Amino acid sequence: KNEVEQSPQNLTAQEGEFITINCSYSVGISALHWLQQHPGGGIVSLFMLSSGKKKHGRLIATINIQEKHSSLHITASHPRDSAVYICAPFTGNQFYFGTGTSLTVIP
Amino acid sequence: DTEVTQTPKHLVMGMTNKKSLKCEQHMGHRAMYWYKQKAKKPPELMFVYSYEKLSINESVPSRFSPECPNSSLLNLHLHALQPEDSALYLCASSQVGRAGNTIYFGEGSWLTVV
Repeated sequence: KNEVEQSPQNLTAQEGEFITINCSYSVGISALHWLQQHPGGGIVSLFMLSSGKKKHGRLIATINIQEKHSSLHITASHPRDSAVYICAPFTGNQFYFGTGTSLTVIP
Repeated sequence: DTEVTQTPKHLVMGMTNKKSLKCEQHMGHRAMYWYKQKAKKPPELMFVYSYEKLSINESVPSRFSPECPNSSLLNLHLHALQPEDSALYLCASSQVGRAGNTIYFGEGSWLTVV
């Protein structure tokens, strides 16, 4: 049983398109992270959410705690957004990881 | 300083070798983590240290031996590994016990066991 389900697994978009990645989880959480991993391996935390919505530049993340669902949106996508995006709920003492969404943005 | 530094970046070792992976952070974080990541898979938790004490061990084989000598350092000692242990090993850190602490990852150590 996967505690975290992400969709889609793979996504190819044209530059400029609006992108949505979805995450559903079954564990009780205190917060949820959206992470970005580039092919070189390093992981960066994009957002940490415990309620509502956050926006950083072209990235928007939302969470509905009651429905145990979160979304990551990218507006005006760009080739440099190509990466794997991972949903990571935090239970208070450990992180769970989704399987990741591999995003490719074509110029 | 919001960095988690991992060394070495790449390591090739034989099945009889003993080697160590090192991780360092100076953000005052008292939770440190080791994750193993295989290609096209999410990171898998191996160990969690909280206040320099091992708090979670996800049934990792004893050929992996973690050590947290102080609040800034985390080591992973490797001995008698198998080729299937080849993976990216990620270290991470965060504050302890507070809801919604940001997690910081190192760039990882790419391990190849031959």
